[in-house]
Amino acid sequence: DTEVTQTPKHLVMGMTNKKSLKCEQHMGHRAMYWYKQKAKKPPELMFVYSYEKLSINESVPSRFSPECPNSSLLNLHLHALQPEDSALYLCASSRLLRGDSPLHFGNGTRLTVT
Amino acid sequence: GDSVTQMEGPVTLSEEACLTINCTYTATGYPSLFWYVQYPGEGLQLLLKATKADDKGSNKGFEATYRKETTSFHLEKGSVQVSDSAVYFCALSSDGANNLFFGTGTRLTVIP
Repeated sequence: DTEVTQTPKHLVMGMTNKKSLKCEQHMGHRAMYWYKQKAKKPPELMFVYSYEKLSINESVPSRFSPECPNSSLLNLHLHALQPEDSALYLCASSRLLRGDSPLHFGNGTRLTVT
Repeated sequence: GDSVTQMEGPVTLSEEACLTINCTYTATGYPSLFWYVQYPGEGLQLLLKATKADDKGSNKGFEATYRKETTSFHLEKGSVQVSDSAVYFCALSSDGANNLFFGTGTRLTVIP
């Protein structure tokens, strides 16, 4: 069982919808991440939070809006997405924002934009 | 910039065969190196890691040694099982932001 829980597992949304992806971890990790993974590709970093503050935004379009309400929760708010945004969205956490601190991934939300 | 070059797949092996998946890297400084595995329909799981030169990471019969002189971190297993079928990603992290650079992934299929 994964220790990083993502909901929902699957999401279908239209281009005018607003939806949110949720991620939760209770390992006491202080860094949390959003990745996007297209089919047969490696994950691509979107955002990094450290101690609930946004640390990295990899030039992600504003139709993706992250939020870290507390140290255990990470949300990704979605608005006016495009079909090319369809992908597997992975949340991850690590004990600290350090290079030797491995990431723990959730099982992802498979998003389809119609 | 930092990057990881990983052996192209897919790789198909018979059960109990030996596995090697090549991974080389380019990085400034002293990166930490990782192998992650992704089973169908799941997220990535850490398989093993090494944080300094000559370290050997191992887990579930898999091994990889951090070779600074050849900038490599090849994944090996002496006898694969059907349950090892998955996609394997080599990755490095070399800065304080813990931005993982992934290789392209290698799909392994083990047939009985």
